[in-house]
Amino acid sequence: HLAQSGAEVKKPGASVRVSCKASGYSFNDYYIHWVRQAPGQGLEWMGWINPNNGGTKYAQKFQGRVTLTRDTSITTAFLDVTRLTSADSAIYFCAKEDQPYLYYYGMDVWGQGTTVIVS
Amino acid sequence: QSVLTQPPSASGTPGQRVTMSCSGRTSNIGRNYVYWYQQLPGTAPKVLIQKSSQRPSGVPDRFSASKSGTSASLVIGGLRSEDEADYYCAAWDDSLSEYVFGTGTRVTVL
Repeated sequence: HLAQSGAEVKKPGASVRVSCKASGYSFNDYYIHWVRQAPGQGLEWMGWINPNNGGTKYAQKFQGRVTLTRDTSITTAFLDVTRLTSADSAIYFCAKEDQPYLYYYGMDVWGQGTTVIVS
Repeated sequence: QSVLTQPPSASGTPGQRVTMSCSGRTSNIGRNYVYWYQQLPGTAPKVLIQKSSQRPSGVPDRFSASKSGTSASLVIGGLRSEDEADYYCAAWDDSLSEYVFGTGTRVTVL
């Protein structure tokens, strides 16, 4: 199970942090992906984090503006997005990788989503 | 811009068979597993098909999928009203080193 933090409203230029609390499985063994969905649009992959060592991979589009971190003591992953614009208004999802220790299969469990409005 | 191409819409009456395609490249579908996700209105996506053709427990057997070369397809064997949703294919892309989603297909039950 992945439980995400609540909705956020931010001003342009601000930053936002979204959290994703994992439970019911071994947090360190499965990569966490982040995906966003703009209003009326499709799904867009943002990156992944390896909870075991904190290693990250970002989609080129988000390089330099997105940071993924985790706190293994509370089995929680975090998404930070800086320099927000209206184009960042979207629902942000975290999702657990299907296969342990790998990142290139797919996602089997999704968080409920966090709505971020930039206005 | 999505790397995987899906038809924007599909429809059918209850009980009909509906097929949707997902077209990609060697670097994604050609070399990696395809996952299919179902997104009901106002909800988070849910995995429908894993590893190109495997149904997770709890997914009805009217859903099936296959992959051939650089394309994949999802079939709903007997359409039901609760299947009205958006369906996305996805795969890892070795060239981009990114996970890519399809453009999505909206299924309407007439």
